[in-house]
Amino acid sequence: GENVEQHPSTLSVQEGDSAVIKCTYSDSASNYFPWYKQELGKGPQLIIDIRSNVGEKKDQRIAVTLNKTAKHFSLHITETQPEDSAVYFCAGLPGGTALIFGKGTTLSVSS
Amino acid sequence: DAEITQSPRHKITETGRQVTLACHQTWNHNNMFWYRQDLGHGLRLIHYSYGVQDTNKGEVSDGYSVSRSNTEDLPLTLESAASSQTSVYFCASSETSGGYNEQFFGPGTRLTVL
Repeated sequence: GENVEQHPSTLSVQEGDSAVIKCTYSDSASNYFPWYKQELGKGPQLIIDIRSNVGEKKDQRIAVTLNKTAKHFSLHITETQPEDSAVYFCAGLPGGTALIFGKGTTLSVSS
Repeated sequence: DAEITQSPRHKITETGRQVTLACHQTWNHNNMFWYRQDLGHGLRLIHYSYGVQDTNKGEVSDGYSVSRSNTEDLPLTLESAASSQTSVYFCASSETSGGYNEQFFGPGTRLTVL
């Protein structure tokens, strides 16, 4: 079955710096890759997603890139702010059934 | 406003007891999911449903069951609670079949099994 590996598990940056979180997946049939953000004490919330027919997608300060050949995708956050501090999860969708999530990355942005 | 709620928010129980966690959504979504979140494991899928009377096993379904008798609710039952089931449980829902749509998560239930 699908396996989604996420790195790093923790990431600390200074406010204004960029942050990059990387995920790899195993199932070549996966064709949808969302990213969720979880703030302390809350459920995860979708922040951006990408489908396999697109190589990059941007939404203001966040962007996701996808390399289907290498089976990896990344989340890029530019000009980080303290409110970006959270746990971020990537996910893959094998065969259009149900999402398989990575183990999460705890991002800390210090001012 | 439409929402997804979970109850209770916190639960302490004893090993061997049956426990049911409630999940209720008012979006009229067909899809509903249950996940558990543990440190070092991220979010793992327990069970999911694509509509009334439909249920499917996820990655970690052993010891758990669900039933879907209406669109709004997907209760999760731990048949005989074990300490290994101490976790934070999240319910989620999404609009259409398959996983391509945004999942809306509830606030979570923290379950402790003593």
